[in-house]
Amino acid sequence: EIQMTQSPSTLSASVGDRVTITCRASHNIDMWLAWYQQKPGKAPNVLIYRASSLKTGVPSRFSGSGSGTEFTLTISSLQPDDFATFYCQQYKNYPWTFGQGTKVEI
Amino acid sequence: EVQLVESGGALIRTGGSLRLSCVGSGFPFSTSTMNWVRQPPGKGLEWVSFISGSGNSIYYTDSVKGRFTISRDNAKMSLYLQMNNLRDEDAAVYFCARDDWEYYESGLYYYNGMGAWGQGTTVTVSS
Repeated sequence: EIQMTQSPSTLSASVGDRVTITCRASHNIDMWLAWYQQKPGKAPNVLIYRASSLKTGVPSRFSGSGSGTEFTLTISSLQPDDFATFYCQQYKNYPWTFGQGTKVEI
Repeated sequence: EVQLVESGGALIRTGGSLRLSCVGSGFPFSTSTMNWVRQPPGKGLEWVSFISGSGNSIYYTDSVKGRFTISRDNAKMSLYLQMNNLRDEDAAVYFCARDDWEYYESGLYYYNGMGAWGQGTTVTVSS
């Protein structure tokens, strides 16, 4: 099983800040990584797939980078609607696995 | 409009059984690959199981192998998760999720993440 480790677990930030979340895979997953945003009481929404491809309709302030075992999700200028928990997910091999999540709070 | 609606969550005793359902609409269900993903109270997401459109390809996370069975009825546009011998650690909100794929004329195809989710159904396990 491929382990996914996110850092930090919690991130305190302000509107307008540039925010970076890191995700590390225990094995090479090439570019087979997605990022999800989840708000309390809601289902997750996919933001990024294939490590750096932005899903249609997702604001361009979100971007993803990386390959192999190291990945980052960057929010260029944090907006009030962005306060949520973010998860990375590998889909290189089954079982698919998620990172433990990064909560972005004020 | 794409919709996924889960049902079947309940309070169940440890060791008991439960079947979850997910009805899809607004997309070609029979050709869509589907998943169950769960989230224990206050914790992160855990992928549980995958099924192909035909039902011929199935995968599970290790902790549910031999206890959970994923299935689908394309005529009813429904996805199921039969859960047997439930444990305390199976308590969670269970989401069904549809995979998004990108296909090219060359025959190549790429996975674009779980692009549609239901609202979730809650399974509570108590001894």
